[in-house]
Amino acid sequence: QVHLQESGPGLVEPSQTLSLTCSVSGGSIGSGGYYWSWIRQHPGKGLEWIGYISYSGSSNHNPSLKGRITLSVDTSRNQFSLKLSSLTAADTAVYYCARGSDWIDSWGQGTQVTVSS
Amino acid sequence: DIVMTQSPDSLAVSLGERATINCKSSQSIFYSSTNMNYLAWYQQKPGQPPKLLIYWASTRESGVPDRFSGSGSGTDFTLTISSLQAEDVAVYYCQQYYNIPRTFGQGTKVEIK
Repeated sequence: QVHLQESGPGLVEPSQTLSLTCSVSGGSIGSGGYYWSWIRQHPGKGLEWIGYISYSGSSNHNPSLKGRITLSVDTSRNQFSLKLSSLTAADTAVYYCARGSDWIDSWGQGTQVTVSS
Repeated sequence: DIVMTQSPDSLAVSLGERATINCKSSQSIFYSSTNMNYLAWYQQKPGQPPKLLIYWASTRESGVPDRFSGSGSGTDFTLTISSLQAEDVAVYYCQQYYNIPRTFGQGTKVEIK
């Protein structure tokens, strides 16, 4: 049973860059076979797909994020990461890391990120 | 982007009764070369991440009770809970994976009447 855990700051100032890391246990990112995703949920709202990355670094992301996003993977640490730049209040959300590029079959518990000065 | 629209936004159903949630995509998410509909359903309870229920529109994820079923094709899809249980109180989302960006419906809240 794969387990995913997000880590990162809960509070980030506007215009700064958010950095989140997802640690994976119970399965190896480097073994391939899966893509690894980020999804966010704005307060009281629905789900927004951010992007996904493979063990080799092949990735895809939501065009709505307009070049603000960087996805990376570290197979030696069994982690993958998200960087989101030029933050505004609209980026305040719960951020989930997850497994899958089509349907998502495993999710982290989520981490609340608030953008505020 | 493919827009996913769910109906209703909320519904209240008596215990043991049927709950039906609809999901409509703004374009067909049926891929003829695979003969598959690129649609998944999730359940989200308060304070928890979503949980996968169904993919390929009608394939139940391992461990999901058989009272949950998915149907539909093309642009119109349905999630049915055949006999609502107290633990089914949640928000349900559909999601298309036909193309990028992946998009979700706005969610349907299911409560007990």
